[in-house]
Amino acid sequence: AQSVTQLDSHVSVSEGTPVLLRCNYSSSYSPSLFWYVQHPNKGLQLLLKYTSAATLVKGINGFEAEFKKSETSFHLTKPSAHMSDAAEYFCVVSEETSYDKVIFGPGTSLSVIP
Amino acid sequence: DAGVIQSPRHEVTEMGQEVTLRCKPISGHNSLFWYRQTMMRGLELLIYFNNNVPIDDSGMPEDRFSAKMPNASFSTLKIQPSEPRDSAVYFCASSEPGTGGRYGYTFGSGTRLTVV
Repeated sequence: AQSVTQLDSHVSVSEGTPVLLRCNYSSSYSPSLFWYVQHPNKGLQLLLKYTSAATLVKGINGFEAEFKKSETSFHLTKPSAHMSDAAEYFCVVSEETSYDKVIFGPGTSLSVIP
Repeated sequence: DAGVIQSPRHEVTEMGQEVTLRCKPISGHNSLFWYRQTMMRGLELLIYFNNNVPIDDSGMPEDRFSAKMPNASFSTLKIQPSEPRDSAVYFCASSEPGTGGRYGYTFGSGTRLTVV
């Protein structure tokens, strides 16, 4: 069965240091993969998406993610954390049986320490 | 475009009352999704529509929940009667039909429901 695993429920980094949020997925085909960000008391915003083109995907606010099929991973990175990056981040995979539906990971809460 | 618009932003109601949540999708987005978010369960898909037709309502928790999409620009999620365990943030999202799984969704700001 398809699934998404976010390996850390909480990550804390200092401002100006790199961010790494880890995501692994299971799928029997080549899925689309997404990262969404949710700031406190806000809706979810699409950060970036992988749709079988380039494996290194650039998103908004300096984030990027690399699709690694051999490792079934789609980790999110940013070279230098900003205070405004503090939020909940969701890794998402497209469902095999539907062109419309996706599966959300449990989320990783990112804290940025000044 | 104003994005996906949800109303109200906050709703506080007493147990047993009827609650109606509203959503206006992005124009041209003919797929609409209702999600519920809680600390315990995370994000749960309740129901989704394509071209105003409910396609998958397997996530609707029980008969107290119902959803409608009378036209392409409006959807409602109704809870009757409401219970304290329905307290959550309810999100509406939209996408072009058949593309949500490939290109992603646009989410509204959510309705925070508190049932006391």
